[in-house]
Amino acid sequence: GQNIDQPTEMTATEGAIVQINCTYQTSGFNGLFWYQQHAGEAPTFLSYNVLDGLEEKGRFSSFLSRSKGYSYLLLKELQMKDSASYLCAVRDLDSSNTGKLIFGQGTTLQVKP
Amino acid sequence: GAGVSQSPSNKVTEKGKDVELRCDPISGHTALYWYRQRLGQGLEFLIYFQGNSAPDKSGLPSDRFSAERTGESVSTLTIQRTQQEDSAVYLCASSLGAGAVEQFFGPGTRLTVL
Repeated sequence: GQNIDQPTEMTATEGAIVQINCTYQTSGFNGLFWYQQHAGEAPTFLSYNVLDGLEEKGRFSSFLSRSKGYSYLLLKELQMKDSASYLCAVRDLDSSNTGKLIFGQGTTLQVKP
Repeated sequence: GAGVSQSPSNKVTEKGKDVELRCDPISGHTALYWYRQRLGQGLEFLIYFQGNSAPDKSGLPSDRFSAERTGESVSTLTIQRTQQEDSAVYLCASSLGAGAVEQFFGPGTRLTVL
């Protein structure tokens, strides 16, 4: 079966660093994605990992370990506007012909002053 | 208006009625996806269209759900005889193709079945 786990909620302080973890068990693997979703808005793409290692993009970084079925999203220099849900999603080999994504429940991050 | 658009933004209906949701993908995007997001839950894949190929309907939860797409343009998702458990936000996404990294999401249609 397909299973993607991430914490439901996290709280962090403005200016700090926060790490959101995601573990997955899928029948195959063809990429891991992170999306940001502000309340009442559409999800927007943040990052994509298909090989092991760290991908850095400004204040956001995403890490992948395929052998461990593990990823994390690292947010640095937190800003109030980073308060949102962060969605971890996997594209597995079965869906590689369609590109459909399997999503976790999402982690709601609250940034406090 | 270069993004994915969806209509209506909100829909309230009575149990047992049919509803039709519309998605306008980004021009030139051959792949189109419908997802459902229930309150407090992750996105669930419903259906995928790619050009003129047969759609992947593997995520549709019951035969009350159907969707159509005309070529590489507008798609409609129809839910017949709505039930309260159909209440959710229905999100549409499009991409340049199945292998594209980024899917672009619309703002969604919030469906409430009373």
